[in-house]
Amino acid sequence: DSGVTQTPKHLITATGQRVTLRCSPRSGDLSVYWYQQSLDQGLQFLIQYYNGEERAKGNILERFSAQQFPDLHSELNLSSLELGDSALYFCASSVGGQSNEKLFFGSGTQLSVL
Amino acid sequence: AQTVTQSQPEMSVQEAETVTLSCTYDTSESDYYLFWYKQPPSRQMILVIRQEAYKQQNATENRFSVNFQKAAKSFSLKISDSQLGDAAMYFCAYRSSGGSGSRLTFGEGTQLTVNP
Repeated sequence: DSGVTQTPKHLITATGQRVTLRCSPRSGDLSVYWYQQSLDQGLQFLIQYYNGEERAKGNILERFSAQQFPDLHSELNLSSLELGDSALYFCASSVGGQSNEKLFFGSGTQLSVL
Repeated sequence: AQTVTQSQPEMSVQEAETVTLSCTYDTSESDYYLFWYKQPPSRQMILVIRQEAYKQQNATENRFSVNFQKAAKSFSLKISDSQLGDAAMYFCAYRSSGGSGSRLTFGEGTQLTVNP
């Protein structure tokens, strides 16, 4: 168990809908990362937050948004969903968001858009 | 931008034998980190081994070791005495050491099968 909790584990929805994925980092970790794993794109970095502030942005679509709350949990919001958004979405956390820190991954949320 | 390439989509090995997974990367940076992650059917991403680019000595973790060739930008993973539990997808990953470099850039993955 990595200590990173992601909910829900599975999500099935329809095109055009909006969903929210939730991540609770390990206790004491201030930085949260979101990654998308799909058959087409592989594993891609989406966005990173550190102590409530956006730290780095990757290949995140405009239809997607994220935030980190004062209690350090994070949410990834996906809107106007398309079939191609079907993927496994990972959250990871680290202590301070530095490159030399170990990342701890959650078990992911499997999103299926029908 | 950095890229990571794993040219072996699938590999197989007999139990107790040794297998090497290949990874190459492209970067203009001199300081960075390289990783191998394992993703079993449970989908959990598990860190196998980490290498700091400034260290010449190859990293080792029990049955797992790497061959890091900085000039060739090559980072292979050797699994010795393969076990059934080693069967998984293995991802090579790159992480810059500075600036906004805390993101991981992953390769395409190598699916490892361990035959009894």
